[in-house]
Amino acid sequence: EAQVTQNPRYLITVTGKKLTVTCSQNMNHEYMSWYRQDPGLGLRQIYYSMNVEVTDKGDVPEGYKVSRKEKRNFPLILESPSPNQTSLYFCASSATSGGYTDTQYFGPGTRLTVL
Amino acid sequence: QKEVEQDPGPLSVPEGAIVSLNCTYSNSAFQYFMWYRQYSRKGPELLMYTYSSGNKEDGRFTAQVDKSSKYISLFIRDSQPSDSATYLCALQNTGFQKLVFGTGTRLLVSP
Repeated sequence: EAQVTQNPRYLITVTGKKLTVTCSQNMNHEYMSWYRQDPGLGLRQIYYSMNVEVTDKGDVPEGYKVSRKEKRNFPLILESPSPNQTSLYFCASSATSGGYTDTQYFGPGTRLTVL
Repeated sequence: QKEVEQDPGPLSVPEGAIVSLNCTYSNSAFQYFMWYRQYSRKGPELLMYTYSSGNKEDGRFTAQVDKSSKYISLFIRDSQPSDSATYLCALQNTGFQKLVFGTGTRLLVSP
């Protein structure tokens, strides 16, 4: 089954404790992206990657890091989480065609609470 | 001003009603227009995809784009309780990979 998986699905942590949210896709997609979703603000892009070893900032990259060492994986790293990073996080992937992204497939989401 | 504006709702309708969901946008460079549906505790899933102005129909769903007014709509005919979800519009510029999302409209269809 074609899918994007994220782990963990739920996470409660404390300020300053480094964490990683994993994302994996089995569709051989070049493009992967991380979003956060907050009430009244919608989905905002954190980082994206056009292919292995190619990453770039989205709209709200502060406080986050990413890496793309393999095509299927795109982990999101919070080096020192803060309460304002409490949110619902989604990973997405898509094929690309002529430099444009195709349909984006979303993972099930990770609900992060930072105390 | 936000790039994309969408009424958050909730929009409550009885089963069988025609539903109209809308987004307005400010950037005339947007060329690709999408509607995603998001059920509670799930990730968004693509519902409709249109390029430039015009209408596109898929079963009970019709997507409409009016670039002159910078206005996009999603119509749902014969709405069902299973249509209860949050609907997000998403727009994409030519030459850019990024999607810009509306905040989403929560739809509730009562039996």
